[in-house]
Amino acid sequence: QQQVKQSPQSLIVQKGGISIINCAYENTAFDYFPWYQQFPGKGPALLIAIRPDVSEKKEGRFTISFNKSAKQFSLHIMDSQPGDSATYFCAASQGGGNMLTFGGGTRLMVKP
Amino acid sequence: EAQVTQNPRYLITVTGKKLTVTCSQNMNHEYMSWYRQDPGLGLRQIYYSMNVEVTDKGDVPEGYKVSRKEKRNFPLILESPSPNQTSLYFCASSLMWGSGELFFGEGSRLTVL
Repeated sequence: QQQVKQSPQSLIVQKGGISIINCAYENTAFDYFPWYQQFPGKGPALLIAIRPDVSEKKEGRFTISFNKSAKQFSLHIMDSQPGDSATYFCAASQGGGNMLTFGGGTRLMVKP
Repeated sequence: EAQVTQNPRYLITVTGKKLTVTCSQNMNHEYMSWYRQDPGLGLRQIYYSMNVEVTDKGDVPEGYKVSRKEKRNFPLILESPSPNQTSLYFCASSLMWGSGELFFGEGSRLTVL
């Protein structure tokens, strides 16, 4: 039973387009929602994170939107670039942040 | 360079042959953890350690053991590997419990025949 459900499993976007990845969670005690980016042959690396006291967080081309009532959060990548091609994982945790529950991952391909 | 180092990076073994995957971090982090990554399932936590001599089970601990005798090292032990333990394994560390960001190693791909 996955507590964090991620969609889609794979995504193809043209260069310059917007990539959108969605996650839904069940545990209302979750209070930390990071996104990790993983390139082939590498470990995941923190991309951006949000806590539920805000509805949106933006860092450069990457934005997290958070909907507490719907128990959903999403990653938007604006002006997607081929270098953004990677696997993206959403995650959630409670009480501090280290005990992360990950979504199933989304493989993003940005075509030139 | 700050990093989490895992060894071996690739390993093919046979059922029942004990193996150890080592993990070492040079960032003086208190918190360390092991995950396995399987297609469609994301990363699932196997064991974690909040500090030296303090370890606890994650979501999928069956068939694995860990120890934390030194702050920098957190080896993962498979006493009697089985084919369902074929997976990509990641070690991760964090400054302390509650500090949020996890730093991952580059992964160890294990195949059990």
